[in-house]
Amino acid sequence: NAGVTQTPKFRVLKTGQSMTLLCAQDMNHEYMYWYRQDPGMGLRLIHYSVGEGTTAKGEVPDGYNVSRLKKQNFLLGLESAAPSQTSVYFCASSLGLAAYEQYFGPGTRLTVT
Amino acid sequence: AQSVAQPEDQVNVAEGNPLTVKCTYSVSGNPYLFWYVQYPNRGLQFLLKYITGDNLVKGSYGFEAEFNKSQTSFHLKKPSALVSDSALYFCAVRAVIKAAGNKLTFGGGTRVLVKP
Repeated sequence: NAGVTQTPKFRVLKTGQSMTLLCAQDMNHEYMYWYRQDPGMGLRLIHYSVGEGTTAKGEVPDGYNVSRLKKQNFLLGLESAAPSQTSVYFCASSLGLAAYEQYFGPGTRLTVT
Repeated sequence: AQSVAQPEDQVNVAEGNPLTVKCTYSVSGNPYLFWYVQYPNRGLQFLLKYITGDNLVKGSYGFEAEFNKSQTSFHLKKPSALVSDSALYFCAVRAVIKAAGNKLTFGGGTRVLVKP
């Protein structure tokens, strides 16, 4: 039982390049999330999904797109990377909303030059 | 809008001494409250949560937290800190009522340094 996994672990992009971050969970969770973590700002929600085939915007969605074609996978795409997107990205999943805790992946450290 | 404040960027404590990490929140109606811990170069790990009932919640690794509704606080505590407790701690809140949205809001984090 691997929990939540993320690939890649590290990535360096040039401004304007695109990339996709992959998140996979093996806990059969309905809900999945993408966050970014920046120093002193805690975690901010980018996008989330309440089930296969659904996505919704979080508090900082601009410049990102997501897809949830399979229940166990949640992809985060950057179409044209900008230096402001330099951050650590975390994927998480949960059995439900409300009172349910989230399970986090190990993170992807992205640098945009 | 809901929010979480962790007033201390860093807490220093000697090994064996009590550890307290402070958290206050603002939310419409009743809250669900969570504590997470992040070790270096790792994702967040769930420690404990308050849903309803007893105001004192016990969690993993000997941590506990006390919900105080009148003070809108949910401070994390450990009676005797270990060097291995050195990490970044996050408090988070979600409103119980769906009308307030399902968003989980995190505080900015408190770094705990336990010295031998």
